[in-house]
Amino acid sequence: EVQLVESGGGLVQPGGSLRLSCEASGFTVSSKFMSWVRQAPGKGLEWVSVIYSGGRTYYADSVKGRFSISRDNSKNTLYLQMNSLRAEDTAVYYCAKGIAEAGPGGWFDSWGQGTLVTVSS
Amino acid sequence: QSVLTQPPSVSGAPGQSVTIACTGGSSNIGAAYDVHWYQQLPGTAPKLLIYGNNNRPSGVPDRFSGSKSGTSASLAITGLQAEDEADYYCQSYDSSLSGYVFGTGTKITVL
Repeated sequence: EVQLVESGGGLVQPGGSLRLSCEASGFTVSSKFMSWVRQAPGKGLEWVSVIYSGGRTYYADSVKGRFSISRDNSKNTLYLQMNSLRAEDTAVYYCAKGIAEAGPGGWFDSWGQGTLVTVSS
Repeated sequence: QSVLTQPPSVSGAPGQSVTIACTGGSSNIGAAYDVHWYQQLPGTAPKLLIYGNNNRPSGVPDRFSGSKSGTSASLAITGLQAEDEADYYCQSYDSSLSGYVFGTGTKITVL
């Protein structure tokens, strides 16, 4: 059974940093593409970042240059390093496992429960 | 700012049918990228509802169906039930952004 468990959220001051983790079980993170998706309080879903099986990474314009996605194959864990945090980064952050039949695109068939990040002084 | 547009809300009585539209553009839905749909019950993580425009994962009732045409897609729910009350999001890929895009979300209310 596929499981994704996020951790690392919390309260951080503007300009601060935080690292989120997503521990996976039931599959190998390096064999699938993995993403972070966030949801601000009372708002919709916003895609944040992706890491493909080959290692390429992409980011939403809103976080480019501040966030970094990575994975540790030995720990079967996905990470999101978040630097220079802003109030508008406040959200529940979900990790999601992707499936693509061919080329770019695809969908997210498994989601974690989410971890709340609050950026406030 | 979402690239895919959905109506904010849709409502229907139990047993009725409702449809949610998802409108995109030439770099996402119109570029032949597939559309997928998620259901988010209050306080929970999104759940995959439809993938590849019109395919249901195991366990999703056949009351839910999807379609795609041109730069738009639709999610249809027939025989509306109280437990269908949730937020629904469409999702695709955008070649100009080199990333994934979600719809603005639609709240379904069962009257």
